[in-house]
Amino acid sequence: AQKVTQAQTEISVVEKEDVTLDCVYETRDTTYYLFWYKQPPSGELVFLIRRNSFDEQNEISGRYSWNFQKSTSSFNFTITASQVVDSAVYFCALSGMNYGGATNKLIFGTGTLLAVQP
Amino acid sequence: DTGVSQNPRHKITKRGQNVTFRCDPISEHNRLYWYRQTLGQGPEFLTYFQNEAQLEKSRLLSDRFSAERPKGSFSTLEIQRTEQGDSAMYLCASSTAREAYEQYFGPGTRLTVT
Repeated sequence: AQKVTQAQTEISVVEKEDVTLDCVYETRDTTYYLFWYKQPPSGELVFLIRRNSFDEQNEISGRYSWNFQKSTSSFNFTITASQVVDSAVYFCALSGMNYGGATNKLIFGTGTLLAVQP
Repeated sequence: DTGVSQNPRHKITKRGQNVTFRCDPISEHNRLYWYRQTLGQGPEFLTYFQNEAQLEKSRLLSDRFSAERPKGSFSTLEIQRTEQGDSAMYLCASSTAREAYEQYFGPGTRLTVT
């Protein structure tokens, strides 16, 4: 079975602090994708990043960085120098990397509510 | 193209009433997914279509729920005899079959059953 666990329900930081959101996943697939989405109060899911299971290279995009470690089945997300606009719910998700008509449905974690205080 | 659209954005209904939601995917996308998100939870997969064919349904999709995509373009999700437990955000996403992992989400329809 596939499962995504985000153990941190809520995190509160003060602006300019760094914050790391944890994500642990379970899957029997040998190939898969991992994702992070942001959901601001407006409710729309905003895609942040997709990584495939072949590539464990860490990625940095501006203030965002992601650390993928297959050995610990983790895909953690760090925001450097947080800003008030980063306040949102962040979801980690998992999908199979299957072909031939597979569903490729997204399996989401329960999300982490990040509150950045000014 | 302006992305995935969903209507209505909000719906309040009384228990026992039927409701229908609509999703218009990105025009060249042949896959369409429905997810449901309850308060404090992540979205959960309900069902998906490839063109007009409904290829998978989750156990969450009780027999009071029905989804259609008659011409392989827009889709509707109907809930009959609504219950308070149906209150949730209903999200639609679309993709191509070739890149099914790249799903684009709509703004959602928030349903409140009183």
